[in-house]
Amino acid sequence: QSALTQPASVSGSPGQSITISCTGTSSDVGSYNLVSWYQQHPGKAPKLIIYEVSKRPSGISNRFSGSKSGNMASLTISGLQAEDEADYYCCSYAGSSIWVFGGGTKVTVL
Amino acid sequence: QVQLVESGGGVVQPGRSLRLSCAASGFTFSSYALHWVRQAPGKGLEWVAVISYDERYKYYADSVRGRFTLSRDNSRNMVYVEMNSLRPEDTAIYYCAKERIRATFGVVNDAFDIWGQGTMVTVSS
Repeated sequence: QSALTQPASVSGSPGQSITISCTGTSSDVGSYNLVSWYQQHPGKAPKLIIYEVSKRPSGISNRFSGSKSGNMASLTISGLQAEDEADYYCCSYAGSSIWVFGGGTKVTVL
Repeated sequence: QVQLVESGGGVVQPGRSLRLSCAASGFTFSSYALHWVRQAPGKGLEWVAVISYDERYKYYADSVRGRFTLSRDNSRNMVYVEMNSLRPEDTAIYYCAKERIRATFGVVNDAFDIWGQGTMVTVSS
């Protein structure tokens, strides 16, 4: 159950697009279309923003989009806004009802 | 509205036990699996365990298997985690989280759509 690999930080200016990568293995990301992404503001609980690789829950802005290729998943935030500054975590199903998270990426809006 | 509220955290000595609770409201509790996820201070999220809607199935991360035990009371809309033989590395905020998809059998694995606010557990002498 090794953690998925995410960059520690990503930054961008307002209005720009940024992409956060999430690298796993053929046992987790590569085997299941069950990658989800969570946004966490300081001192707050995580919030689901993407599930099943690319689907958005009701109420989540279409500026957030997800994709997957092989063992790597990605989250793209377009039209970056100040409120997007937060930590982002990917998560993948790893079989046998076990889940694994990424180490998290801090997004800074310049 | 749909809500999860954790309680029971505190400071405990290494080797001792602690039970956390998670109270649910606003959804058909007995139809959903519930997960526990933890976050050590300044660190990332770590999935801990899941219990099926009917308590029949329970799965644990390697780091807690054999020490943590999940249970639930569908008549009271509560889920619990009994933590034994606690270690300093168990120090974390513990969140309960609801499985997104309603289950009719076993654990439906999809995503965690509702989270509680968390309860802090500190293991220290």
